[in-house]
Amino acid sequence: EAAVTQSPRNKVAVTGGKVTLSCNQTNNHNNMYWYRQDTGHGLRLIHYSYGAGSTEKGDIPDGYKASRPSQENFSLILELATPSQTSVYFCASGDGGGSNERLFFGHGTKLSVL
Amino acid sequence: GQGVEQPDNLMSVEGTFARVNCTYSTSGFNGLSWYQQREGHAPVFLSYVVLDGLKDSGHFSTFLSRSNGYSYLLLTELQIKDSASYLCAVRVITGNTRKLIFGLGTTLQVQP
Repeated sequence: EAAVTQSPRNKVAVTGGKVTLSCNQTNNHNNMYWYRQDTGHGLRLIHYSYGAGSTEKGDIPDGYKASRPSQENFSLILELATPSQTSVYFCASGDGGGSNERLFFGHGTKLSVL
Repeated sequence: GQGVEQPDNLMSVEGTFARVNCTYSTSGFNGLSWYQQREGHAPVFLSYVVLDGLKDSGHFSTFLSRSNGYSYLLLTELQIKDSASYLCAVRVITGNTRKLIFGLGTTLQVQP
């Protein structure tokens, strides 16, 4: 069974609209991450969290907010969506805080902002 | 700046081997991971190395040379299902911040 699940799988939004991407993990991992993947850029870190109540900015946080209300759930919020945020978004949980941390990814959310 | 480079594409033949190269230029190196990503799917962790040398994990082996900023993932006895993108990710530590820098990935095509 999938340990990191994302919803929705696909989303079409209008420019200026609010979008919330949800992620749930059953791994009981403290660390969770939001990445976006675009052709020519690879995976880029948007926000991450070390545990419930914590959120940290990643490498490209502008235009995004994050929320970690519980160990299991980590959301990515686009308050005012723009076409440049059209991308595939991956949530991941990490199994440790050390350098050998393994990331377990969800299946991804394909977001199109028109 | 911090960079992780991989060739875009690689082609090989079923039953043989493929070597996926990764070069990096980073400060604060603290380990390197490899992930497999099939088309339309999520990345899946394969291997982690932090010490120089070859780490043999059966179907996948990983080599690291920290002095040269170089790693490779070696796939042996290739199967068609090994066709996928292989992502190299370097972990760096800067002050109190740990981050993972991903390469763009190498798309491996295994032909019959």
